[in-house]
Amino acid sequence: EDQVTQSPEALRLQEGESSSLNCSYTVSGLRGLFWYRQDPGKGPEFLFTLYSAGEEKEKERLKATLTKKESFLHITAPKPEDSATYLCAVQAESGYSTLTFGKGTMLLVSP
Amino acid sequence: EAGVTQFPSHSVIEKGQTVTLRCDPISGHDNLYWYRRVMGKEIKFLLHFVKESKQDESGMPNNRFLAERTGGTYSTLKVQPAELEDSGVYFCASSQGWAQYFGPGTRLTVL
Repeated sequence: EDQVTQSPEALRLQEGESSSLNCSYTVSGLRGLFWYRQDPGKGPEFLFTLYSAGEEKEKERLKATLTKKESFLHITAPKPEDSATYLCAVQAESGYSTLTFGKGTMLLVSP
Repeated sequence: EAGVTQFPSHSVIEKGQTVTLRCDPISGHDNLYWYRRVMGKEIKFLLHFVKESKQDESGMPNNRFLAERTGGTYSTLKVQPAELEDSGVYFCASSQGWAQYFGPGTRLTVL
């Protein structure tokens, strides 16, 4: 069974204090790993897809990296508007294109 | 481009009643997914349509849940009769490639 574990569950940062969120996964053949951002009362917003170990993607202050067992979402010099829950999900090669999600990391950036 | 829309945004019903949730995917997206998040747990897959056909319904909890996708456009998810454990946020997503784009969700409360 595919599994995704995210850590920490919650993270509080000061504005400008860089950090990383972790997503560990087990999947029977990875087709893709997805990062989403979710604001309260809204649906997950797509950020990145990573397909193979060693791949990196960047968007503004966010950079996602992928190994064979985990992915990191690095946040550089965060701002209060980066506060949200960040979700990681995997899609297996076998079967169809469903996503298996982790519980997310709730990030709070204080000014 | 309009995103995925869902209706209603909130629904409060009594146990034993029927509720129908609606999802309008992004125009041109053949794939439509339903997911659910119950309190304290991760987002979980319910089912996947390709156009009007059910591709995978392995996540549907039981036969009280019925999903349809008329003409390959919008989709409905009916819960009949609703039970207390059906409470949660129901998300719809659509895709044309691997990345799935989510709607804002319908928060269902069963009393």
